Amino acid sequence: DTGVSQDPRHKITKRGQNVTFRCDPISEHNRLYWYRQTLGQGPEFLTYFQNEAQLEKSRLLSDRFSAERPKGSFSTLEIQRTEQGDSAMYLCASSILSGGPNEQFFGPGTRLTVL
Amino acid sequence: KNEVEQSPQNLTAQEGEFITINCSYSVGISALHWLQQHPGGGIVSLFMLSSGKKKHGRLIATINIQEKHSSLHITASHPRDSAVYICAVRLYPGNQFYFGTGTSLTVIP
Repeated sequence: DTGVSQDPRHKITKRGQNVTFRCDPISEHNRLYWYRQTLGQGPEFLTYFQNEAQLEKSRLLSDRFSAERPKGSFSTLEIQRTEQGDSAMYLCASSILSGGPNEQFFGPGTRLTVL
Repeated sequence: KNEVEQSPQNLTAQEGEFITINCSYSVGISALHWLQQHPGGGIVSLFMLSSGKKKHGRLIATINIQEKHSSLHITASHPRDSAVYICAVRLYPGNQFYFGTGTSLTVIP
């Protein structure tokens, strides 16, 4: 399978704990995006990387959230001191920088439940 | 305030009907993305367009940049088309995407 993969698919944690999610993009894709989606809403942009550089961050991304893409391949999203409001589906997408439309391909998501 | 508005929010159709889902946006964009999301969360890209019209099978997407409006049409709808359809715009300049809240489509046999 050469699509975008995310791990874990589900995570249940207690309030105050730290969690880390991983995203493996399509191998030749140099752009990687993180989104958050709550029930009944469309995805909300969190941040994106071009290669290893984090180029844009949403105001939604509080100090408790940090994302990395150290070698320009996989990326991690860490949430520190989780709160119940962090419960959501966290989606990763990748695309290739080109002169074309920059179409995004999405992973299956990580569903986070904070108790 | 939502930069991307979709209508209708919910749509029920009989199998075989022609379906139209609309997307309006209020910001400058470089491209618009139509996505399909099935129960369980998987998102599939349908179209990415910056002008004119694209067709793939029974799906047609159009965009009018001047009017800041796009439509997704499904011809000869089928129960397997039942899903949430999401419109997303890529802001210009930059590379952020704003998403609509989606249109939930149910096609009844």
